[in-house]
Amino acid sequence: DQQVKQNSPSLSVQEGRISILNCDYTNSMFDYFLWYKKYPAEGPTFLISISSIKDKNEDGRFTVFLNKSAKHLSLHIVPSQPGDSAVYFCAASGGSSNTGKLIFGQGTTLQVKP
Amino acid sequence: ETGVTQTPRHLVMGMTNKKSLKCEQHLGHNAMYWYKQSAKKPLELMFVYNFKEQTENNSVPSRFSPECPNSSHLFLHLHTLQPEDSALYLCASSQEYTVEETQYFGPGTRLLVL
Repeated sequence: DQQVKQNSPSLSVQEGRISILNCDYTNSMFDYFLWYKKYPAEGPTFLISISSIKDKNEDGRFTVFLNKSAKHLSLHIVPSQPGDSAVYFCAASGGSSNTGKLIFGQGTTLQVKP
Repeated sequence: ETGVTQTPRHLVMGMTNKKSLKCEQHLGHNAMYWYKQSAKKPLELMFVYNFKEQTENNSVPSRFSPECPNSSHLFLHLHTLQPEDSALYLCASSQEYTVEETQYFGPGTRLLVL
């Protein structure tokens, strides 16, 4: 059973517009969430994270929103740029162990058109 | 060399072969990870080494054998693999094995088992 789901395999937006990537999770013990970005032939790179004590975290053009009651998080990219075209993975961690064990979603491919 | 490097980048092997994947990190980190990404599936954690001690084995078949001789190097020894083991194998490292520490990924080894 997949605990972290990204239900949209792909998303296409116009340059300058907002990109919204969504992620749902099922385990209420998760208390830390991350987004990674992956370009072809490269490993994933960390983008932004959020703790469950917050509902929003912002870093430049990237904002992550967390809705704990809905077990849902989203990544907003404003404005979107062609260089943002990549695969985006959400990941979750949590529980009593406080280890770095991450559970990943299957990824959403974002294409930003010039 | 900086960051996390992996060799080889591509590998084709038969089911009776024995091969090894190598990972090296130049970040001074203490935790190292092996992940597997099969087509259309999320990244799956395989093994974690923290201060050279194996702390996670995510029910990985014994035909995959990890080795961590020091905190900078991680190997994945492969023997008698199956075609379904064909995947992208990613190595990562972090300062410590806690969720607050960012995991840095290598570019991966694309493995094809014939």
